[in-house]
Amino acid sequence: EAGVTQSPTHLIKTRGQQATLRCSPISGHTSVYWYQQALGLGLQFLLWYDEGEERNRGNFPPRFSGRQFPNYSSELNVNALELEDSALYLCASSLQVQGNYEQYFGPGTRLTVT
Amino acid sequence: KQEVTQIPAALSVPEGENLVLNCSFTDSAIYNLQWFRQDPGKGLTSLLLIQSSQREQTSGRLNASLDKSSGRSTLYIAASQPGDSATYLCAVSSGYALNFGKGTSLLVTP
Repeated sequence: EAGVTQSPTHLIKTRGQQATLRCSPISGHTSVYWYQQALGLGLQFLLWYDEGEERNRGNFPPRFSGRQFPNYSSELNVNALELEDSALYLCASSLQVQGNYEQYFGPGTRLTVT
Repeated sequence: KQEVTQIPAALSVPEGENLVLNCSFTDSAIYNLQWFRQDPGKGLTSLLLIQSSQREQTSGRLNASLDKSSGRSTLYIAASQPGDSATYLCAVSSGYALNFGKGTSLLVTP
């Protein structure tokens, strides 16, 4: 069974541009989560999508947004990029079954903003 | 707000030693706790998941315990190997978001 996949592996953008990151969950998983791992800050929760809807978001500005498609894959968009957006962005997926929310992570997208 | 702390931040041990990594959290209302391994620049590999109703889980040389009332978890690694060198992350679940500690960086020397 294929795990969580993310694309691209690396992305280099200039300050002010927009970045789009993609994630495909494990087959059968309806929830997708996005996390940011910036140097020195640890892993921070960004967004949670389930059944096509945004269910919750972390403490990030509105220029971080995304969506979930009918096949449960997801896209994270970061507008008006700033230097401090440089980070590893990790996507995770899970079932949404009461009592079982184990999250499985993808390999990440390394975003570098210059 | 859930705060997760991991001690120590870094650990270096000779091959073959048994070791314990510690994780503490401030809010005991959790669904589960996961331990992950992260190699440099890579994603996360799930090692063990402990449901809130459980006390421990074992997988091979790894054993994780959970004491919800005191807000603590430990990850025990038996007979450490150089291939165990990585950063180990503890994360507690509120039902959706995972709250992560900053990790313990482990180096096992031959």
